[in-house]
Amino acid sequence: GQNIDQPTEMTATEGAIVQINCTYQTSGFNGLFWYQQHAGEAPTFLSYNVLDGLEEKGRFSSFLSRSKGYSYLLLKELQMKDSASYLCAVLDSNYQLIWGAGTKLIIKP
Amino acid sequence: DADVTQTPRNRITKTGKRIMLECSQTKGHDRMYWYRQDPGLGLQLIYYSFDVKDINKGEISDGYSVSRQAQAKFSLSLESAIPNQTALYFCATSDSGLATGELFFGEGSRLTVL
Repeated sequence: GQNIDQPTEMTATEGAIVQINCTYQTSGFNGLFWYQQHAGEAPTFLSYNVLDGLEEKGRFSSFLSRSKGYSYLLLKELQMKDSASYLCAVLDSNYQLIWGAGTKLIIKP
Repeated sequence: DADVTQTPRNRITKTGKRIMLECSQTKGHDRMYWYRQDPGLGLQLIYYSFDVKDINKGEISDGYSVSRQAQAKFSLSLESAIPNQTALYFCATSDSGLATGELFFGEGSRLTVL
């Protein structure tokens, strides 16, 4: 079966750095997405990786290793507004998105 | 105004009732999707449509039906609602292929079936 694993919950301190990991086992791979979802709101797109390596976008970076079936989202200079769930999703060989359950990130002052 | 609009935002209904959730978009995208989100689970695809004449079942289509009335409108129906269909439902759109694109989500419709 297809599976996306990410931690259920993480806690970090305002101003610090946090890394949210995602491992996947899917039938084929056509890219990996990260979305941010604030409580009670719609998910919003953060990043897309299809090649190995690090993609940086402001305070957020996303890393992919296809050989390891692994990605992480790195958030720097954490702000209170970064408190949200972070969803990892993989596009499989049929171009269907397989979603992880999300990681709830709690930021403390 | 939101680019992807869902109505109603909240609905409480009883077992056996027919429910329709509506989605409209102003992004001009051809592709539209209905997802369901339950606590502790990833988003699950119910149905998707690549254009007005194209409707496809997702991973959890049983108990649901859809209608693509126009490029901009995609509605989800529960013919006879049951309590385990209590969930947060999202409509989403995308431009052409997902391989380089992203999904744009509506604000969600919270459905409670008693």
